Amino acid sequence: EVQLVESGGGLVQPGGSLRLSCVSSDFTFSSHSMNWVRQAPGKGLEWVAYISSRSTTIYYRDSVKGRFTVSRDNAKNSLYLQMSNLRVEDTAVYYCARKIDIVGATPFGPNDYWGQGTLVSVSS
Amino acid sequence: EMVMTQSPDTMSVSPGETATLSCRASQSLSSNLAWYQRKPGQAPRLLIYDTSTRATGIPARFSGSGSGTEFTLTISSLQSEDLAVYYCQQYDYWPPEGSFGQGTKLEIK
Repeated sequence: EVQLVESGGGLVQPGGSLRLSCVSSDFTFSSHSMNWVRQAPGKGLEWVAYISSRSTTIYYRDSVKGRFTVSRDNAKNSLYLQMSNLRVEDTAVYYCARKIDIVGATPFGPNDYWGQGTLVSVSS
Repeated sequence: EMVMTQSPDTMSVSPGETATLSCRASQSLSSNLAWYQRKPGQAPRLLIYDTSTRATGIPARFSGSGSGTEFTLTISSLQSEDLAVYYCQQYDYWPPEGSFGQGTKLEIK
């Protein structure tokens, strides 16, 4: 069964940094594009970042550009999100999600498997 | 910027009945629309993509339809396990801001 397991969340002060990890299993990780999606408390789902299967194409939502960096290590079946200069509004549960590659679709969807999420809290 | 509006915000349906959830796009879409189910304490689960294609392992009582700006998720023979929040997502247009609807909470009577 396809599994995605996130880790690395926690409480951090504004301006701080965190690195999220997502380890995959039971599918060929290197063949799939991946997304990070977040959900702030009481809010809806929000796409954050995309990385293609070989890391050749990367996209971010405007509000995290220059602060977040998505990367992957296909040899380790792992996806990462390096977050710096964190803001209170970055507080959310962060999910990694496997993207279905569809011709003509934008990078942010659809996503067929999701992890359970890791909570990032930014507060002083 | 695309705005996805789901209705109703909350609905209560009895077991065995049919639930019809709506998603309206502020601009006309191709078929690039998905539906997700989010049960309490669980990760989101893809139900439908390309407007009407069921994802792997999704039972036939979940169906999607629509075109243009109006899309529908229909859940027939409702079961107690269908208690969840359902989200639509368009993946047709940049920017991604507003690509998800705000969600419809489905309660079971």
